[in-house]
Amino acid sequence: NAGVTQTPKFRVLKTGQSMTLLCAQDMNHEYMYWYRQDPGMGLRLIHYSVGEGTTAKGEVPDGYNVSRLKKQNFLLGLESAAPSQTSVYFCASSFENHYGYTFGSGTRLTVV
Amino acid sequence: GESVGLHLPTLSVQEGDNSIINCAYSNSASDYFIWYKQESGKGPQFIIDIRSNMDKRQGQRVTVLLNKTVKHLSLQIAATQPGDSAVYFCAERDPSGSARQLTFGSGTQLTVLP
Repeated sequence: NAGVTQTPKFRVLKTGQSMTLLCAQDMNHEYMYWYRQDPGMGLRLIHYSVGEGTTAKGEVPDGYNVSRLKKQNFLLGLESAAPSQTSVYFCASSFENHYGYTFGSGTRLTVV
Repeated sequence: GESVGLHLPTLSVQEGDNSIINCAYSNSASDYFIWYKQESGKGPQFIIDIRSNMDKRQGQRVTVLLNKTVKHLSLQIAATQPGDSAVYFCAERDPSGSARQLTFGSGTQLTVLP
């Protein structure tokens, strides 16, 4: 039982490049989330999904897009990476009727 | 939404001593609180939670106290061990928010000294 798996774990992008971060969970969770974590700022919600085929904006959605074509997968896309998007990205998931999240191990992204 | 804050960014304790990590929240509507532990290079890990209709909850070596009057949350770790060294986050949930969204504090770095 892997829980929440994020790929890749590390990535370096040049400004303007695009990439997709993959989050996969095997717990049949309905809700999935993407957060970014920056020093001294805690976790900030980028986008989230309440079920297959649904997505919604969080606190800091600009510059990101998401898709949830399958219940177990939640993709985070950067269409044109900027240095301000250098961060550690965490995916999380939860059941609809349980408030606690299960987090992945994170993706460290550097945009140069 | 309202953010969750912490009193101290760092805390150092001797191995074997008890640790107390504090958290202040400002949203009086929050009905659920969680403490997470994050070790270096890893994702946050659930430690313990508490609902707003409780003022204390105990787990294995950990206790969470909730004081709704002053909007204060604390995490007590008994007999702190080197493996407890990590960043500890509190998080709160506003029931008026959607999708069970949690708001996280910036974290306290706990260092256990030998």
